[in-house]
Amino acid sequence: EIVMTQSPATLSVSPGERATLSCRASQSVSTNLAWYQQKPGQGPRLLIYGASTRATGIPARFSGSGSGTEFTLTISSLQSEDFAVYYCQQYNNWPGTFGPGTKVDIK
Amino acid sequence: QVQLVQSGGEVKKPGASVKVSCKASGYTFTTYGISWVRQAPGQGLEWMGWVSGYNGNTNYAEKLQGRVTMTTDTSTSTAYMELRSLRSDDTAVYYCARVASLGAGTGYCYDSWGQGTLVTVSS
Repeated sequence: EIVMTQSPATLSVSPGERATLSCRASQSVSTNLAWYQQKPGQGPRLLIYGASTRATGIPARFSGSGSGTEFTLTISSLQSEDFAVYYCQQYNNWPGTFGPGTKVDIK
Repeated sequence: QVQLVQSGGEVKKPGASVKVSCKASGYTFTTYGISWVRQAPGQGLEWMGWVSGYNGNTNYAEKLQGRVTMTTDTSTSTAYMELRSLRSDDTAVYYCARVASLGAGTGYCYDSWGQGTLVTVSS
C-alpha cells in the first residue's frame, strides 16, 4: 500500500497570506494525485486532480504542483472560507489512499 | 448539479447492523461508481469499498470483508452500505462519494461527496 504523508499537521496563516501545503508518497504515483478540502460537518470537496488541474468551480487561488512522490498545494491569498482541513490522496494504485491531513487555521 | 444525499444518523448497539443510503441526482446513476469512505472521530479518511452504478459489482476493503455489503437500486438512483456485527470502533461518519471518470490511475478519485451519516455504536 502506498503511504501518504502531509506536512505540516497544522498551518497557522493570516487572511491574505499565502499557504503552502506539502504531500509525499511512499512511492511514485506519477501525477495521479488529488487534493480535497474539508470543513467541519461537511464532506470533502475535490479541489485538484491530476496533481495540478483545478476541479470545476474551484477558484484560481488554489494551485497544485508536483509529480512522482512530492506534491504541493498552494493557496495564494487565504480567504476566510479557506480555513479548513486539506487532504491529499493518491489514486495511481488501487484503491487509492489518503494522507492524514493538514489543518489550516487562523493565525 | 450533482448531489448525493445520505440518510440520517444512527445509534446502534454492539453486534447490531446498520444500513446507510445515498440518493444520487443530477447525473446518470448507471454511468458512475460509488465508493464509501468513513472517518472516525478526529481521524482521517478510510476507504471501505466500491459499488458499480452500472451492474452492482463490488470490491471491499480487506479488513471489512464479510461484514460489509454495498448495493444499488438503479430505479431510485440510490446506493446502500450495510455494516454488520458493529463494534465501538465502527463509530464514524460514513460518506458516499462518486468516483470520477479521469481515465488515469487504477485507484478512485472522488468528484462529489454526500453530507455524511454519523453512526454511533454504543451499549
